[in-house]
Amino acid sequence: QVQLVQSGAEVKKPGTLVKVSCKASGYTFIGNYIHWVRQAPGQGLEWMGWINPNSGDTNYAQKFQGWVTMTRDTSIRTVYMEMRRMKSDDTAVYYCAREVVGPATGVFDYWGQGTLVTVSS
Amino acid sequence: DIQLTQSPSLLSASVGDRVTITCRASQGISSYLAWYQQNPGKAPKLLIYAASTLQSGVPSRFSGSGSGTEFTLTISSLQPEDFATYYCQHLNNYPLTFGGGTKVEIK
Repeated sequence: QVQLVQSGAEVKKPGTLVKVSCKASGYTFIGNYIHWVRQAPGQGLEWMGWINPNSGDTNYAQKFQGWVTMTRDTSIRTVYMEMRRMKSDDTAVYYCAREVVGPATGVFDYWGQGTLVTVSS
Repeated sequence: DIQLTQSPSLLSASVGDRVTITCRASQGISSYLAWYQQNPGKAPKLLIYAASTLQSGVPSRFSGSGSGTEFTLTISSLQPEDFATYYCQHLNNYPLTFGGGTKVEIK
């Protein structure tokens, strides 16, 4: 069955970076874009961007351009989201999500379990 | 960016009730809208896409309608497992955005 398994919770100091991983299984890894969505405590969902695991191409929301990088390692079926220069308001649960292939592009049918990243001095 | 406004933000209902949640887009998005359900501490779950297409495995008591700028999610007979927060999301272009959420709580 399709699974996206994310790395564990992180506690980071302001100004540092975090790298969250998302390991895929149960489907053809290069066949679906992977998106990242975050959710601050008690808040709604915020789309961050996507990576094409086949080509490595990326597309980031303007807010995250320049300080978020999404990469992938096809040999281990894993995508990564690195965020630099973190601030306290980057404290959130970060989700990876698989995009549906076909006409319903932009729709996410499988999600990782989420990774809580806490930014605190 | 397209803004999505959900109403109400909080809905109190009882088991068996018919409930409707509205999502309004700041500009026309045809039928490029999805709905998700999220339980506390869990990842969102896809319910409906293309405004009205039920995702495989989702109970038929869930339905979606609308096009353009106004959309609705209806639960025909609320079940105990349906008490959760619901989000709409547009698929029209980038950046993708989500509505602010509607929490359905037990009355």
